[in-house]
Amino acid sequence: DTGVTQSPTHLIKTRGQQVTLRCSPISGHKSVSWYQQVLGQGPQFIFQYYEKEERGRGNFPDRFSARQFPNYSSELNVNALLLGDSALYLCASSYRDGNQPQHFGDGTRLSIL
Amino acid sequence: AQSVTQLDSHVSVSEGTPVLLRCNYSSSYSPSLFWYVQHPNKGLQLLLKYTSAATLVKGINGFEAEFKKSETSFHLTKPSAHMSDAAEYFCVVSERGFQKLVFGTGTRLLVSP
Repeated sequence: DTGVTQSPTHLIKTRGQQVTLRCSPISGHKSVSWYQQVLGQGPQFIFQYYEKEERGRGNFPDRFSARQFPNYSSELNVNALLLGDSALYLCASSYRDGNQPQHFGDGTRLSIL
Repeated sequence: AQSVTQLDSHVSVSEGTPVLLRCNYSSSYSPSLFWYVQHPNKGLQLLLKYTSAATLVKGINGFEAEFKKSETSFHLTKPSAHMSDAAEYFCVVSERGFQKLVFGTGTRLLVSP
């Protein structure tokens, strides 16, 4: 099985720009979650989507948005980038909602200059 | 609200000696508990999970953890450390039935020859 794939692997942006990160879940998985991992800290929950509907949202500003497509892939968008948005963004997928094991991708490293 | 506290930011062991990584949790509801491992520049890999069945949970690569409700603990152990175990380990809690994972701050395991 191909694992969770994320693109791009690395990205450099400047303050005020906008960025789109992409995630393809494991084949057959319908739930996708996004996490932000700042250097030296544990991941923080941003969003969860299941069957194209938002099922959960973490404590992040409205500059962060996401969506899930009919093929269950997902995009995370961040507007008006700040230096503090520099982090590793992780995508996780699971077969369905609820207490299902979540499988993580290797992440997108976003650097803001 | 759920939270986890990882009691050690760094743990150093010699190869072949036992590993103990400590975690205490706080949850208003019956929690699901997990341990994830993260190797440098990689995503997260699930080691094991507790979801209300047996209190002693066996995971991959020889790791196991014991759920102790009276102590609100979920410590991770391994009888004999291997060099390849060197990584960052995260204790994670979620409310049963929900996907949102709440991560601890992580414990860096160092294994010396």
